[in-house]
Amino acid sequence: GAGVSQTPSNKVTEKGKYVELRCDPISGHTALYWYRQSLGQGPEFLIYFQGTGAADDSGLPNDRFFAVRPEGSVSTLKIQRTERGDSAVYLCASSLTPGAGTLHFGNGTRLTVT
Amino acid sequence: RKEVEQDPGPFNVPEGATVAFNCTYSNSASQSFFWYRQDCRKEPKLLMSVYSSGNEDGRFTAQLNRASQYISLLIRDSKLSDSATYLCVVTKVSGSARQLTFGSGTQLTVLP
Repeated sequence: GAGVSQTPSNKVTEKGKYVELRCDPISGHTALYWYRQSLGQGPEFLIYFQGTGAADDSGLPNDRFFAVRPEGSVSTLKIQRTERGDSAVYLCASSLTPGAGTLHFGNGTRLTVT
Repeated sequence: RKEVEQDPGPFNVPEGATVAFNCTYSNSASQSFFWYRQDCRKEPKLLMSVYSSGNEDGRFTAQLNRASQYISLLIRDSKLSDSATYLCVVTKVSGSARQLTFGSGTQLTVLP
């Protein structure tokens, strides 16, 4: 079956620009997570959705970052006024049961801010 | 102090060796524990859960010590295909929050 799909796989943007990263979770998975991963580090939690609502957004680094999941399936992570420090791999994961440790990750979007 | 700490390695071991990785966590309210595996430039994948009584899956053994807030992963009879980064994961559920916190990972290379 289809796994978690993330688009684009790579995104290069200039400092100050706006970007949107898309995640299409496994069908039927109500829990959706966004993480970001820098080289040599583990994934860093950003935000968790249960259904349509952001149940925990405590990992978002600042107000330039925002995520939505309007219909409880596809999610979009939005970054305004990108900075070079935002360069990382942005990983989306979904799980069938909220709080479950079995996360199914997508391949990630590699964001490079020049 | 990081919430989840791991020895970054790298661990370079010959095929057939036994290798052990350790992980400590700082939040005593943590509820569930896992090991994930991440191959180079790939996404993390669940390797195994870690249960209080310890558990085994083939060549892999995971153990949890809640009193010391310590998790371990033992790999016996290492294979070349075991080369990867191993991520320790700790979960915390509080109200609507569902956080899975990853360690920085321990890099393993199994040498022929």
